[in-house]
Amino acid sequence: NAGVTQTPKFQVLKTGQSMTLQCAQDMNHNSMYWYRQDPGMGLRLIYYSASEGTTDKGEVPNGYNVSRLNKREFSLRLESAAPSQTSVYFCASSARTASNYGYTFGSGTRLTVV
Amino acid sequence: QKEVEQDPGPLSVPEGAIVSLNCTYSNSAFQYFMWYRQYSRKGPELLMYTYSSGNKEDGRFTAQVDKSSKYISLFIRDSQPSDSATYLCAMSGGNNRLAFGKGNQVVVIP
Repeated sequence: NAGVTQTPKFQVLKTGQSMTLQCAQDMNHNSMYWYRQDPGMGLRLIYYSASEGTTDKGEVPNGYNVSRLNKREFSLRLESAAPSQTSVYFCASSARTASNYGYTFGSGTRLTVV
Repeated sequence: QKEVEQDPGPLSVPEGAIVSLNCTYSNSAFQYFMWYRQYSRKGPELLMYTYSSGNKEDGRFTAQVDKSSKYISLFIRDSQPSDSATYLCAMSGGNNRLAFGKGNQVVVIP
C-alpha cells in the first residue's frame, strides 16, 4: 500500500544511547516532516525538509538531527538520548501544495528512554 | 497566544448523539482548514478538508469554517463507537506548513 513507512515501531533506549528513526514514502512527495506527540502537548514539529537537499528546524529541534537521504527517505537521529525524549514520533509527507492535500502520516515510533 | 486553540478535554457521548468539536485560530492568513482523525496507537489520517469559509459535508461528517470569527467546527451525526478517536484540527495559509490543534479525544459509548 502507498504511504509513509516508519521503522522501528517500538524502541527502548538507555540514557546516552544513540539511534536513528527511519522514514520512507512512496508517493513522490516533495516535503517530509518529523513530529513528536506527547500527552497534552499535541503534535510538535522537530524538523522538516521542504524538498530533497534541504532541511530546516521546527519548534523543538534540540537534541535531534535529520538527514534527507533522497526524495523518498528522511531520517531522524538522537545522538545522546535523554528521558525527556520519551515520546511517540511521527513522520509525515506532503506534495508541494500541502495546503490542498494535507499531510500523510506514518504509524509512529514509540520511543522510551530509561 | 498559540496560532490554533483546541480544547483537549475528553468528550464522552452516547451512541447516536451528535458530536460537536471546534477550534479557534489567530492567523488571518489561514485559508485551508482540515480535520484529522487519530485512532489509538495510530498516525493521524485526513478526515475533512475545507477551503475558505463555508460548509462541507461527507456522509455523517460536516465541517464548517467561519473566517470572520476565526472559528472552525466538525460535527459528527449519528455517532458510532467506531468514531471513538482523537480529532485534530489543522490549518494553513498556503505556505506548505500546517498548524495543528492539540486534539480532542472523543469516546462514543454503546
